[in-house]
Amino acid sequence: DAGITQSPRHKVTETGTPVTLRCHQTENHRYMYWYRQDPGHGLRLIHYSYGVKDTDKGEVSDGYSVSRSKTEDFLLTLESATSSQTSVYFCAIKDGDSNQPQHFGDGTRLSIL
Amino acid sequence: GDSVTQMEGPVTLSEEACLTINCTYTATGYPSLFWYVQYPGEGLQLLLKATKADDKGSNKGFEATYRKETTSFHLEKGSVQVSDSAVYFCALSRNTNAGKSTFGDGTTLTVKP
Repeated sequence: DAGITQSPRHKVTETGTPVTLRCHQTENHRYMYWYRQDPGHGLRLIHYSYGVKDTDKGEVSDGYSVSRSKTEDFLLTLESATSSQTSVYFCAIKDGDSNQPQHFGDGTRLSIL
Repeated sequence: GDSVTQMEGPVTLSEEACLTINCTYTATGYPSLFWYVQYPGEGLQLLLKATKADDKGSNKGFEATYRKETTSFHLEKGSVQVSDSAVYFCALSRNTNAGKSTFGDGTTLTVKP
């Protein structure tokens, strides 16, 4: 299994609180991604990173920010959580070659009450 | 832009039945194509891939052939098992675009004994 660890695995919090999810990899892969998965929407890309301190927005980036200060860590922050951000969040990593697949973590189930 | 269209589910089959999940794509150039599988409570994991036209990817009895003339990558298995019950995602990636992948919406397969 690719070395990807997401933390926490489950979190329940209240509307308006800040939340940070962590993705940690041991593969030294260049690319890292954050997705959310919701019923009826498949996987939607939130933000991605193509190197240390190099990040960009995905298709559903509003309300989210990211940081990557080290190759191995990619943090996703909800500055002020809303109920619409209740979802399952997946981190993925990929080596540089387009022929390589993405490798996914086991997800974080986030509930915002 | 790139897009991936999968046959809508859910799909319910009896054990030992034949499976086909259709996948078509739209992309410029020559993308790599992937099938991922997601078991309950887990992240996506690579099932098989094909990187050029007429390549056949195979794994665990599943097969898919990269058909450039029909822009398709249909997933097939001759005899499904209960343990194949999962969500299946078709995806593509190109050697540009920061390694991002485009995913289909997923097809849920349930196999009954």
